[in-house]
Amino acid sequence: FMLTQPHSVSASPGKTVTISCTRSSGSIASNYVQWYQQRPGSAPTIVIYEDTQRPTEIPDRFAGSIDRSSNSASLTISGLKTEDEADYYCQSYDSTIHVVFGGGTKVTVL
Amino acid sequence: HLQESGPGLVKPSETLSLTCTVSGGSISSGNFYWNWIRQHPGKGLEWIGYVYYSVSSFYNPSLESRVAISVDTSKNQFSLKLRSVSAADTAVYYCARAETLTPGSFKFDHWGRGTLVTVSS
Repeated sequence: FMLTQPHSVSASPGKTVTISCTRSSGSIASNYVQWYQQRPGSAPTIVIYEDTQRPTEIPDRFAGSIDRSSNSASLTISGLKTEDEADYYCQSYDSTIHVVFGGGTKVTVL
Repeated sequence: HLQESGPGLVKPSETLSLTCTVSGGSISSGNFYWNWIRQHPGKGLEWIGYVYYSVSSFYNPSLESRVAISVDTSKNQFSLKLRSVSAADTAVYYCARAETLTPGSFKFDHWGRGTLVTVSS
């Protein structure tokens, strides 16, 4: 299966952005989805795991969800800050092809 | 903590070899899979494969014929070998730990800083 993300999203500081991650085949709910943030020149870091869980160091401005009707996962960043400008990747797993990453979404803070 | 090491320049048709040194925990711990992931310049993340316990390994089907990942538990390291490289293998290579405590979950919770490998003569 593939995970499809929009190439880019943008919003002004303080606003909200939502990034979608659509699974091409099989149910989005069959395996957990993770989200990673990658700032330029740095390794990715996890911001959401197991669809909706936040590591303790990640602010609650970051929220994950899944929607079975659209077979997609979403990452929502509210109260956008300039430090949130980065690339974001969704990732999932299945027992056949193992690890799949989405193509990545560039978040621009206007 | 994970740290990649290895040559930054490899000649075409040769073998790319990288090592990831794990500190702060044992590579033999259960529920952890040890992965290599790469990122071509300006592109997205591509999973290469993983090794588990030195018992099993799985690879991205697109690279399977050229890849081997192994573990050295005595040194708390795991390694990547990619054969017959070309310019298309030029990328930043990351090692990463995946934790699978929750059934159905495979999350990369620790990453190395990455190392750029350029394939050129």
